Amino acid sequence: SQQGEEDPQALSIQEGENATMNCSYKTSINNLQWYRQNSGRGLVHLILIRSNEREKHSGRLRVTLDTSKKSSSLLITASRAADTASYFCATDAATGFQKLVFGTGTRLLVSP
Amino acid sequence: DTAVSQTPKYLVTQMGNDKSIKCEQNLGHDTMYWYKQDSKKFLKIMFSYNNKELIINETVPNRFSPKSPDKAHLNLHINSLELGDSAVYFCASSNRWTGRMNTGELFFGEGSRLTVL
Repeated sequence: SQQGEEDPQALSIQEGENATMNCSYKTSINNLQWYRQNSGRGLVHLILIRSNEREKHSGRLRVTLDTSKKSSSLLITASRAADTASYFCATDAATGFQKLVFGTGTRLLVSP
Repeated sequence: DTAVSQTPKYLVTQMGNDKSIKCEQNLGHDTMYWYKQDSKKFLKIMFSYNNKELIINETVPNRFSPKSPDKAHLNLHINSLELGDSAVYFCASSNRWTGRMNTGELFFGEGSRLTVL
C-alpha cells in the first residue's frame, strides 16, 4: 500500500522546544501535505510541498522533502501547548484526480 | 459559516441496521471524499466523487453506497452494519486537480462517529 509511516508515533516535549516529525512513503509523488488533527476534530491542512521543492516554511512550520529517500519532515519551532494534536502526512501520487493517502500519524503532546 | 458539514456527529446503532451520514460543502469545490478513521487513527480513503461522478472506489464492501445528488453533497449509506464498521467517518472536499500544479488541499468535516453495538 502507498500509506506512509510516521515517526515517532508519539512525541512529548515542553513548551518552547522544537518538535520534529518524520514521514516515509513508498511510491513516487506529485506533492506531500501535512495535516493537523485536534482530538475529536477534523483534519486541518498545514502545508503542501511539491515534488520539485526541497524545503518550505510557513510561520513556525518548516517542511523538508527528500524524494530520493522518499521522506519528509515537519519541524515545529518554539512549540506551544496549543500545538498538542496529531499530525499526519499525506501523499498524492495520482494523475488526473487527487487521491491523498495519509500516513499513520504522530501524536504530539506539548506540556506547559 | 461551516465549510464542510456532516450529520450526524454521533451515531450509535445495532448490528444489522442501515444508517446514513450526510455531507455538504459550501466551498464551491467539485470533488468530495469519504475517509474512514479507525480506532488507531489510521485514515483511509473510501470514495471520491467529482461533479457527481464516482472516480475513486477503494475496494469498500458494497454494503457502503455513496450518493452525490449534486456537487455540493455527498452522502454515505451503510447497509447491514457490522461491528467492524465502528469508526469515525470524515467527509472532505477539494478542487479537481487538472495538471501538475495541484493546489488542492482537502477541507475536512468534523467527522461522524459511528458505533455499532
